[in-house]
Amino acid sequence: DAKTTQPPSMDCAEGRAANLPCNHSTISGNEYVYWYRQIHSQGPQYIIHGLKNNETNEMASLIITEDRKSSTLILPHATLRDTAVYYCIVRVGYVSSNTGKLIFGQGTTLQVKP
Amino acid sequence: DTEVTQTPKHLVMGMTNKKSLKCEQHMGHRAMYWYKQKAKKPPELMFVYSYEKLSINESVPSRFSPECPNSSLLNLHLHALQPEDSALYLCASSQDEEAEQFFGPGTRLTVL
Repeated sequence: DAKTTQPPSMDCAEGRAANLPCNHSTISGNEYVYWYRQIHSQGPQYIIHGLKNNETNEMASLIITEDRKSSTLILPHATLRDTAVYYCIVRVGYVSSNTGKLIFGQGTTLQVKP
Repeated sequence: DTEVTQTPKHLVMGMTNKKSLKCEQHMGHRAMYWYKQKAKKPPELMFVYSYEKLSINESVPSRFSPECPNSSLLNLHLHALQPEDSALYLCASSQDEEAEQFFGPGTRLTVL
């Protein structure tokens, strides 16, 4: 089962920041938080991941709380092309029998509106 | 080349047919994956190959048979499928099992 909880849907106005929350209260110390998104009829796309520090790349920022029990993905200036299902995934970060596993939850459907 | 390609894009097959799905990447990745995604559901992991060896099989029925002939290619052989196997089949690859995964566009399979 997925180890994360996300709201099923969110709206965001075009040009505004989209803040997508994720709860992972049972996360272990060696587990990373990954974010992927899936635009309709396409394969999932990797966005960002982190362990405990905040991370930023050209697509988004990831804010992880100090206790690591929740995180927020931030799309700083959402566009219509950001409309997608966003998946927050917890996965182990070292080689083990489960390393290659990505267990997708239901995700958040983000609708960016003009 | 920075993408994962999958062929065919669409496949319709009968329950007695044998067909194969193909996945290819030329990024030098050593881990490759098959996922299954039913309509309006999240992707579900089926198989993981690491350095051309099967490392994870998520209790997938034997009518699905994966094959990794070399480090760039991953096949999924299909035989005696059921209509409930109709789904989008996604392939992914990563540098190794710890790295982020890159997904292909998928093959939309319909079993009649």
